[in-house]
Amino acid sequence: SAVISQKPSRDICQRGTSLTIQCQVDSQVTMMFWYRQQPGQSLTLIATANQGSEATYESGFVIDKFPISRPNLTFSTLTVSNMSPEDSSIYLCSVEYSGVSSYEQYFGPGTRLTVT
Amino acid sequence: DAKTTQPTSMDCAEGRAANLPCNHSTISGNEYVYWYRQIHSQGPQYIIHGLKNNETNEMASLIITEDRKSSTLILPHATLRDTAVYYCIVTNSGNQFYFGTGTSLTVIP
Repeated sequence: SAVISQKPSRDICQRGTSLTIQCQVDSQVTMMFWYRQQPGQSLTLIATANQGSEATYESGFVIDKFPISRPNLTFSTLTVSNMSPEDSSIYLCSVEYSGVSSYEQYFGPGTRLTVT
Repeated sequence: DAKTTQPTSMDCAEGRAANLPCNHSTISGNEYVYWYRQIHSQGPQYIIHGLKNNETNEMASLIITEDRKSSTLILPHATLRDTAVYYCIVTNSGNQFYFGTGTSLTVIP
């Protein structure tokens, strides 16, 4: 399995500002994913981030609001832009490890964001 | 969108087997069934996955019906630390995971 870290672990931000969340993995991976988990809800996939290409966003998420960078095979960032209280959530990254015929995803510990 | 249906909540006595069901009636031939759990807003933890055969590892067993339309995750001897939300996920061709609402398992002393 992978060791995945996220920074910051939590933050409190004012509306209208932006926050960049970092995701670091201890080995090279091709596919990384970003999720949002709103209070009391399940996880929702935001986007898929492959190194060397633009992130692919899920329906309801746009690059202007959630720009993603993937500069190398061990690192990615997610920015939450122009924040509002509705953006208060836990943001999680995950990485995919491929086996012979299947794969597994491993998740980071999450970043708990509160927007006031 | 999630393609699985799970009961909202379940209780299990400590030391007994916990059997968590999942329906995935629209699963296609090349899709896997994955199980994860999330303890108190930590990152989800991988448990097990399978295609059509039953699988077992140090954490759990996965029983998939012959028609693959449902599966059961079995925790053989539940402990209080197994209290968590358990998610059953069926993958799509793009490897993305779409989480459903999961089952909140409470292990009772």
